[in-house]
Amino acid sequence: DAGVTQSPTHLIKTRGQQVTLRCSPKSGHDTVSWYQQALGQGPQFIFQYYEEEERQRGNFPDRFSGHQFPNYSSELNVNALLLGDSALYLCASSFQGANNQPQHFGDGTRLSIL
Amino acid sequence: LAKTTQPISMDSYEGQEVNITCSHNNIATNDYITWYQQFPSQGPRFIIQGYKTKVTNEVASLFIPADRKSSTLSLPRVSLSDTAVYYCLVGYHGSSNTGKLIFGQGTTLQVKP
Repeated sequence: DAGVTQSPTHLIKTRGQQVTLRCSPKSGHDTVSWYQQALGQGPQFIFQYYEEEERQRGNFPDRFSGHQFPNYSSELNVNALLLGDSALYLCASSFQGANNQPQHFGDGTRLSIL
Repeated sequence: LAKTTQPISMDSYEGQEVNITCSHNNIATNDYITWYQQFPSQGPRFIIQGYKTKVTNEVASLFIPADRKSSTLSLPRVSLSDTAVYYCLVGYHGSSNTGKLIFGQGTTLQVKP
């Protein structure tokens, strides 16, 4: 039973470029959340997708957008990259119909902006 | 979601029991308490979750007093591999609100030989 998988594991971009990160949720999960984790900090919530729609959003600019596909996998897109976007990007999945079930995290994509 | 306060860092030695306390004075009636563990360059891993009194699983125990304004994660007989950051989170992760986990800075536990 595969857990949450993310790709790529590492990525290097330059300022102004655009990036797409991918996530496959744990089997049986239908909800995907994305987090940004800067070095030495706790993860910060970006947004959550369920039924192919953005359901909740944290305090992130519109440069951050996402998508969820019918198979529940998800993409995170970041446009006009800034140096401050360098971070570990984490994807977490859960099942919407289960109360108080913990989210399962992938190991993230390390994004470096030069 | 309720704000949590926990120590920034703790040191311990192999074989000792480690207790990490988290304060959450504004916990709501429906809120649960959840602890995650995170190793460098990995995603957070669920350790334990509870609502009141005591919860125990194969890796840890969670003690919650009657007023629920704090909780203590207990790791029995730690090993070097328990060196990690531990996060305490408080909130209601019900079907209507399963998304937004609010992480603090966590507690960095260093286990020494």
